[in-house]
Amino acid sequence: DGGITQSPKYLFRKEGQNVTLSCEQNLNHDAMYWYRQDPGQGLRLIYYSQIVNDFQKGDIAEGYSVSREKKESFPLTVTSAQKNPTAFYLCASRWGASNQPQHFGDGTRLSIL
Amino acid sequence: ELKVEQNPLFLSMQEGKNYTIYCNYSTTSDRLYWYRQDPGKSLESLFVLLSNGAVKQEGRLMASLDTKARLSTLHITAAVHDLSATYFCAVDIPGSARQLTFGSGTQLTVLP
Repeated sequence: DGGITQSPKYLFRKEGQNVTLSCEQNLNHDAMYWYRQDPGQGLRLIYYSQIVNDFQKGDIAEGYSVSREKKESFPLTVTSAQKNPTAFYLCASRWGASNQPQHFGDGTRLSIL
Repeated sequence: ELKVEQNPLFLSMQEGKNYTIYCNYSTTSDRLYWYRQDPGKSLESLFVLLSNGAVKQEGRLMASLDTKARLSTLHITAAVHDLSATYFCAVDIPGSARQLTFGSGTQLTVLP
């Protein structure tokens, strides 16, 4: 079945540590997105990528980094510069310029140790 | 900067009742999406509204879009417990690399 796979489901970060969240899709979608969701809040865009080897900052990119070396993969690194990383992280993808909705993965819940 | 506002943010309703959730946005757009999120889960696409006057219905939910008023509504008819979830609207700005801006969500609880 086609879909978006995020891993791990739960992740714990120690002080000063970088951690990487995985997002893989087999939908052949061009565009991929990373969102952060805090309790009781909507989604805020961290980074997005429309094509391989290209990505742009969203509204809250500080303290995060991404890469897009393959069409299927868009990993997100939460760096030690992100002082408040505890949140639910959602990855999404969509056909490049279509009107179709974004499809979401099941999310990764990140907490501080 | 695009702002998307939903109201109410919290809604408790009795089974069998009707209610409407409102989504207002601040910039011209003719693409609006509704999503559902169950606690601790991901987002599920409900409706895609692509033009002024668009209306979509699925079961007890009906969504509409008025681009002139910059308003979308999600109407719930004869609510049942299974509809309890958080509902988000999201607006797509043409020419913005297809980013979505999300509302804060409406947490719906349907009481027996």
